[in-house]
Amino acid sequence: QKEVEQNSGPLSVPEGAIASLNCTYSDRVSQSFFWYRQYSGKSPELIMSIYSNGDKEDGRFTAQLNKASQYVSLLIRDSQPSDSATYLCAVSPRVDYKLSFGAGTTVTVRA
Amino acid sequence: DVKVTQSSRYLVKRTGEKVFLECVQDMDHENMFWYRQDPGLGLRLIYFSYDVKMKEKGDIPEGYSVSREKKERFSLILESASTNQTSMYLCASRGGGEKLFFGSGTQLSVL
Repeated sequence: QKEVEQNSGPLSVPEGAIASLNCTYSDRVSQSFFWYRQYSGKSPELIMSIYSNGDKEDGRFTAQLNKASQYVSLLIRDSQPSDSATYLCAVSPRVDYKLSFGAGTTVTVRA
Repeated sequence: DVKVTQSSRYLVKRTGEKVFLECVQDMDHENMFWYRQDPGLGLRLIYFSYDVKMKEKGDIPEGYSVSREKKERFSLILESASTNQTSMYLCASRGGGEKLFFGSGTQLSVL
């Protein structure tokens, strides 16, 4: 079993809709969770981090964490064409340690 | 802004060659990482270093070695390149915070 699994996509959503991305992880000791966005041909960039169960909102992005279910998700509200990218889930046992990434979910927002 | 510089954007090597991929960061970061990225597999950690001359294996270290003689520079070495090492290689660094800063990547082709 892969350490970090994401729904493979691609995910196509109309402009203005909500994009929902899911990620599950296998290591129960994981404590730090991240979402990175990667545009085609570019390097990943951090968009969200979450450490506690519940929701964390930052602008149009909401990260949700459920450690009991070993599940983390990312919601993108009011999706824009500029949100079209691959979203990578990353997990770590602590914030200053190595990160394990999922394979990514490619999102396309249709104008 | 943090700058992570990888020496080559594209590299073509022959099977059996020894290959050096160089990465330099300019922010005095403690942690440095080497990932490879392949379609459908996401980012996979090869090695990371948490201090000068300190290194730890990642998930796929076989066929690779690393060197960190100075804080700012982290080198990835392919001792004898093989065709299955054709990939995009991404270097990243991290200081005291949570965020990984990535270089622009090296697309390595082994023929």
